[in-house]
Amino acid sequence: GESVGLHLPTLSVQEGDNSIINCAYSNSASDYFIWYKQESGKGPQFIIDIRSNMDKRQGQRVTVLLNKTVKHLSLQIAATQPGDSAVYFCAEINTGGFKTIFGAGTRLFVKA
Amino acid sequence: DAGITQSPRHKVTETGTPVTLRCHQTENHRYMYWYRQDPGHGLRLIHYSYGVKDTDKGEVSDGYSVSRSKTEDFLLTLESATSSQTSVYFCAISDPGGYGYTFGSGTRLTVV
Repeated sequence: GESVGLHLPTLSVQEGDNSIINCAYSNSASDYFIWYKQESGKGPQFIIDIRSNMDKRQGQRVTVLLNKTVKHLSLQIAATQPGDSAVYFCAEINTGGFKTIFGAGTRLFVKA
Repeated sequence: DAGITQSPRHKVTETGTPVTLRCHQTENHRYMYWYRQDPGHGLRLIHYSYGVKDTDKGEVSDGYSVSRSKTEDFLLTLESATSSQTSVYFCAISDPGGYGYTFGSGTRLTVV
């Protein structure tokens, strides 16, 4: 499949453990954030989003935390599974300026 | 990915030749985008379209042109391919007011 990044930060976790992937964003005007998952040979897939008026949002096995003070976003995956192995990246959106910036991503390896 | 297809999936071309990549959607979404993905970089916007015959440049538009003659099709053309345009190209769609994209599976283009 397509290589999505040869020099990405890498996180390796044991199956069943929790994973935390971090993202620092750059634009204080960004007011909407999305986490994407990209498996090898595939396009990015939406996982979860959060608006800037929230600091936490939960989905199925995933939680996104937003700290606007330090411009930091994190994705927590509970009970990580081999199928979670992928590249994860955040997107920051300035909805007023119609501008989206994508992070380079973190590669997650899940050890069985 | 459901509703959006890219063609071809892989292409090798020679420097100086023209290349056209196709994106086809069945979701009737108004917005369509072309991104490139390179190692160490986040997705970078090449061009986008906000309707039939309505297109605009993104941050890395030099050397690329686009056309949208129908809602469902968005074409990306490299007029004279260069080695720096070797990349994985992703098409994405979104609806007005929706900032989450649906991505295609990508086209790996190699310029030799």
